[in-house]
Amino acid sequence: AQSVSQHNHHVILSEAASLELGCNYSYGGTVNLFWYVQYPGQHLQLLLKYFSGDPLVKGIKGFEAEFIKSKFSFNLRKPSVQWSDTAEYFCAVTTGGGSYIPTFGRGTSLIVHP
Amino acid sequence: DVKVTQSSRYLVKRTGEKVFLECVQDMDHENMFWYRQDPGLGLRLIYFSYDVKMKEKGDIPEGYSVSREKKERFSLILESASTNQTSMYLCASSILARPGNQPQHFGDGTRLSIL
Repeated sequence: AQSVSQHNHHVILSEAASLELGCNYSYGGTVNLFWYVQYPGQHLQLLLKYFSGDPLVKGIKGFEAEFIKSKFSFNLRKPSVQWSDTAEYFCAVTTGGGSYIPTFGRGTSLIVHP
Repeated sequence: DVKVTQSSRYLVKRTGEKVFLECVQDMDHENMFWYRQDPGLGLRLIYFSYDVKMKEKGDIPEGYSVSREKKERFSLILESASTNQTSMYLCASSILARPGNQPQHFGDGTRLSIL
């Protein structure tokens, strides 16, 4: 079974700092990759996804992620964070073999100080 | 826009009670899921369903059961609630797409406390 690792459990940044959250998965075949965000008191929502094509994916609110197949990674980036980016971020993977059941990472809690 | 509605935002129950958590989605999605979310553990899948009356166990099904009598509704049942089931419960739905590239849509969650 595949697994997903998010190495940064808690990240604290000041506004305007750059952000990179790591996500690594263990499956060797075709994958579909997702980043979800959960703002305080709100439901999880999709930030961006990758399933084919350009490995650099742009999402909402200025976020982007890069799929690097050789590194089994799908890191989330934002060049300049805002206080409103304070949230919990989850990476998720489904395999291309027909499984639609995602495996989630344990999440990264991001706090941005104004 | 997809709407996944969970019946309660907060719920307090006593040990031994039978507890029902309800979830309704309005987009005719085939797949529905129940997760529990605990700090540091992320989302753990309890049960999922890909069709009416169909259910599959997830990673942590012990102490839970589910019911899907209608396509839009997926219920989670705690047969005899225990304090270790105090948690945030999330319902999600998605389109049944074989490549697995469809995202999930989540409800707001039910924060359940078992006293």
